[in-house]
Amino acid sequence: SYVPTQPPSVSVAPGQTARITCGGTNIGSHNVHWYQQKPGQAPVLVVFDNGDRPSGIPERFSGSSSGNAATLTISRVEAGDEADYYCQVWDGNSNSHTVFGGGTQLTV
Amino acid sequence: EAQLVESGGGLVQPGRSLKLSCSASGFTFGSYAMHWVRQAPGKGLEWVSGIKWKDYGTGYADAVRGRFTISRDDAKNTLYLEMNNVRPEDTALYYCTKDRGRGGYYGMDVWGQGTTVTVSS
Repeated sequence: SYVPTQPPSVSVAPGQTARITCGGTNIGSHNVHWYQQKPGQAPVLVVFDNGDRPSGIPERFSGSSSGNAATLTISRVEAGDEADYYCQVWDGNSNSHTVFGGGTQLTV
Repeated sequence: EAQLVESGGGLVQPGRSLKLSCSASGFTFGSYAMHWVRQAPGKGLEWVSGIKWKDYGTGYADAVRGRFTISRDDAKNTLYLEMNNVRPEDTALYYCTKDRGRGGYYGMDVWGQGTTVTVSS
């Protein structure tokens, strides 16, 4: 079954830009969503449909997708952005329908 | 404000059954697809199952297909997950989530706080 791959960890200094990738064969043809999960809390949707933001999510969060990779970009990173980030890929050709990547721990 | 509250978790022996419930409020429950997502201790997120609006279709992860059944009661604003023949690897925090759309592929914009299932003898 389709399993998107994410780097286990990404480290960035405050004020810099963090980029978290989600890889998979032809992932650019799938809808990709991104979630932020802080310790002890439920996940929060931060980007949907590759690059759109739900209301209340800062413009610093953006997404893109092309070819075999999707990317979540967090600009002007703040200490409060430290969390685990998961991509989710809808696979209409799979009986399992949707899968999550393994998650990336962002350290600020 | 949209809210989801899960219940029904607990300690269960391998091979037994358990039924989870999720009570929804603050949105038109029947107009959206719903999902169950689980997270084993210290591990990542795993999609378990989803159901389209008006029960127009369901889907399951390979790990649970044939053992778990998702259902919904739109009159009661409630989502269910019936878990049969449970295994130790089913031990996890189970989240109920709301999809942004009817089909189940638009992203999960509302999450409950989860209910814990522990499978052990």
